[in-house]
Amino acid sequence: EAGVAQSPRYKIIEKRQSVAFWCNPISGHATLYWYQQILGQGPKLLIQFQNNGVVDDSQLPKDRFSAERLKGVDSTLKIQPAKLEDSAVYLCASSLLGGVSTGELFFGEGSRLTVL
Amino acid sequence: SQQGEEDPQALSIQEGENATMNCSYKTSINNLQWYRQNSGRGLVHLILIRSNEREKHSGRLRVTLDTSKKSSSLLITASRAADTASYFCATADVSGNTPLVFGKGTRLSVIA
Repeated sequence: EAGVAQSPRYKIIEKRQSVAFWCNPISGHATLYWYQQILGQGPKLLIQFQNNGVVDDSQLPKDRFSAERLKGVDSTLKIQPAKLEDSAVYLCASSLLGGVSTGELFFGEGSRLTVL
Repeated sequence: SQQGEEDPQALSIQEGENATMNCSYKTSINNLQWYRQNSGRGLVHLILIRSNEREKHSGRLRVTLDTSKKSSSLLITASRAADTASYFCATADVSGNTPLVFGKGTRLSVIA
């Protein structure tokens, strides 16, 4: 079974530029998450999708971050314009279920963003 | 805000020794999970323990949960150099209204 795919693995941009990350979850997984992991810290949830609907985006900086999950499968996370503090690893994860039945999350390898 | 807090922040042991990491959390939970992250990689699920369970084993891993103290521990027995990684606890809130929340992690170094 293929795992969660993410691209690109690495991206370096100047501040105020834009960047987009792509995620393809495990086939059949209804729930998709984007987490931000700053160096030395644990992952912080940015947004959770259930199929193609947003369940939780309370910690997504909506003035610069946007995410979509078209057709309930692939997802794209965009940052525009980027700030220095956005330098982090962006992790995509998927799971069969969500909410009170939150079980195991399957993570991709992450996309490491460096903002100069 | 992050729910779980792991202790210690960093741990260095010799190969063959046991490693114990602790996690404390603040609110009532449905379950608690432990994940491992090798340097530069994604997180890998290790074990899930439900709020009505007190202990769970998986290979060399032993997890305990004390809901009265809002704490959990992860024990890795007979550690190997390959166990070198960061370990995170993550909690699923009992309300079901919040997704999995991760702590800051424990960095484990196993010296051969």
